[in-house]
Amino acid sequence: AQSVTQLGSHVSVSEGALVLLRCNYSSSVPPYLFWYVQYPNQGLQLLLKYTSAATLVKGINGFEAEFKKSETSFHLTKPSAHMSDAAEYFCAVSHNTGTASKLTFGTGTRLQVTL
Amino acid sequence: KAGVTQTPRYLIKTRGQQVTLSCSPISGHRSVSWYQQTPGQGLQFLFEYFSETQRNKGNFPGRFSGRQFSNSRSEMNVSTLELGDSALYLCASSPDNRAYEQYFGPGTRLTVT
Repeated sequence: AQSVTQLGSHVSVSEGALVLLRCNYSSSVPPYLFWYVQYPNQGLQLLLKYTSAATLVKGINGFEAEFKKSETSFHLTKPSAHMSDAAEYFCAVSHNTGTASKLTFGTGTRLQVTL
Repeated sequence: KAGVTQTPRYLIKTRGQQVTLSCSPISGHRSVSWYQQTPGQGLQFLFEYFSETQRNKGNFPGRFSGRQFSNSRSEMNVSTLELGDSALYLCASSPDNRAYEQYFGPGTRLTVT
């Protein structure tokens, strides 16, 4: 069975500070990993994905994540937080096959950005 | 390309009633997945349809069902509604050979009273 664990249900950073949202995964097969963002009253937007190519993945809005197999981690970072980054972020894992549609999500981390 | 659309956006129903939610995928996507999001259980996979066939299924009771039409539009139905069915229901579509790469719609907020 696959799972992801997001450490910290709430993270608060100052505008301009580094954003670090943590995600650890558990998978018996090579995983595909994703980060999604959800703004209030909206659906999920795909930020970035790891599908066994480069271990450092760049996404939209200046976010990136690094796949570290030895640490079973896929932490999300952004060098400088912006007020518009305030949202809930979800890490997700899937099987690495074209027909494996089920995403297993973490419990989410709410990011607060303060002035 | 237009994104995934879901209708209606908000719905209020009474216990015991049934409800049907609709989802139109991104043009060219034949895979449609459904998720339930609640504060207590988080995001949970309901089922996935591909070319009018259910391809994957989560652990939900039989009251939750779905279908897909030849134009890839999908509907999900919940019968005999319970208070615990109050949730945001999200639909996602995927490219044919990358079912894991899911693009979500805005969701339907269902409230059961």
